[in-house]
Amino acid sequence: EVQLVESGGGLVQPGGSLRLSCAASGFTFSSYWMHWVRQAPGKGLVWVSRINSDGSSTSYADSVKGRFTISRDNAKNTLYLQMNSLRAEDTAVYYCARDRKSSGWSNWGQGTLVTVSS
Amino acid sequence: SYELTQPPSVSVSPGQTARITCSGDALPKQYAYWYQQKPGQAPVLVIYKDSERPSGIPERFSGSSSGTTVTLTISGVQAEDEADYYCQSADSSGTYKVFGGGTKLTVL
Repeated sequence: EVQLVESGGGLVQPGGSLRLSCAASGFTFSSYWMHWVRQAPGKGLVWVSRINSDGSSTSYADSVKGRFTISRDNAKNTLYLQMNSLRAEDTAVYYCARDRKSSGWSNWGQGTLVTVSS
Repeated sequence: SYELTQPPSVSVSPGQTARITCSGDALPKQYAYWYQQKPGQAPVLVIYKDSERPSGIPERFSGSSSGTTVTLTISGVQAEDEADYYCQSADSSGTYKVFGGGTKLTVL
């Protein structure tokens, strides 16, 4: 069974940093591109970032470019999102998702809540 | 930045057909995907590659594409279909992914 389990969320002050993790199991993690998607309270889904299968290529939404870094450790079957210079508007549930190319993002984690507040 | 436009809400009675549209300039070049999200839950893929249905998704869910608009159709809507629906695609280069603003489907 495919599982994606996010962790690392919590309360952080504006300007602070946080690293999210997404532990993958039930599939060959190193074969798939992965994404981070966030959802502010009561709002819609917003794509944040993606990484290719070997970690050599990444892309970011304009709203997080230069502040967030996506990475992966294929030996540990884990995806990461390093978030720096956090702002109140970064407050959201963060989901990781498996990209099955043209078959869509068929697997999502349960999400981890990040709250940026003083 | 690239945007996908969805109606904020759609309401239908049980047994009727719901249609949710999504418009974007790059849709003729990029596939669209549809996700269903119920309160407190992660999104679930219901349509991929404009019109393909993943295994386990009921046949009443279908998708279509015409020019810069894609449409999710739910035939014979059931109470359990009440949820938020999001289209997702990419800009013309395929590099930047984007979601529509979401459509709240209400089953009257």
